[in-house]
Amino acid sequence: AQKVTQAQTEISVVEKEDVTLDCVYETRDTTYYLFWYKQPPSGELVFLIRRNSFDEQNEISGRYSWNFQKSTSSFNFTITASQVVDSAVYFCALSEAGGYGQNFVFGPGTRLSVLP
Amino acid sequence: ETGVTQSPTHLIKTRGQQVTLRCSSQSGHNTVSWYQQALGQGPQFIFQYYREEENGRGNFPPRFSGLQFPNYSSELNVNALELDDSALYLCASSLEGLAGQPTYEQYFGPGTRLTVT
Repeated sequence: AQKVTQAQTEISVVEKEDVTLDCVYETRDTTYYLFWYKQPPSGELVFLIRRNSFDEQNEISGRYSWNFQKSTSSFNFTITASQVVDSAVYFCALSEAGGYGQNFVFGPGTRLSVLP
Repeated sequence: ETGVTQSPTHLIKTRGQQVTLRCSSQSGHNTVSWYQQALGQGPQFIFQYYREEENGRGNFPPRFSGLQFPNYSSELNVNALELDDSALYLCASSLEGLAGQPTYEQYFGPGTRLTVT
């Protein structure tokens, strides 16, 4: 069965600090997708990134970067020079491939507070 | 904004009652998924509809049911409400990609906060 673990329940940083959110996943499939979503206080989940299991290249998008390592089943998310607007709950999610009816599994989330 | 809307925003029901939650997908999206998010937890997959047919279901009892309409709007129905059904209910729409494969990129609505007393 698939599982996503986010060991950090809450993190507090001061503005401009770098912060890394950890994500560890479990799956038996060789083809799968990993995601990060941001959930601000408004409640709407905001898509940040999708990565498939065959693409281990790290990605950078502005202040955000992602480190995918299949050897350790991890897909960590780093925010550089954090800002107050980054305060939110961040979810890592896993979807096993296989066509329609995919079952997304979300981790429990990490609440990030960026203090001014 | 994702273009996915949900109604109502908040709802209070009594145990044993029935409730219908509505979702309007992003234009052209033919797949809709519903999730339950209890307080302090990650969303849990309830089921997915593709072209008006249920296409996958999570670990939820049959009293959770759904409908998808030709205009890609959808409903989540919950019968015999229980206190544990209190949660944020999220719908997410996505689009069929090339060669009939899903794109896996879901666009979430703002959710409906259901409170069962």
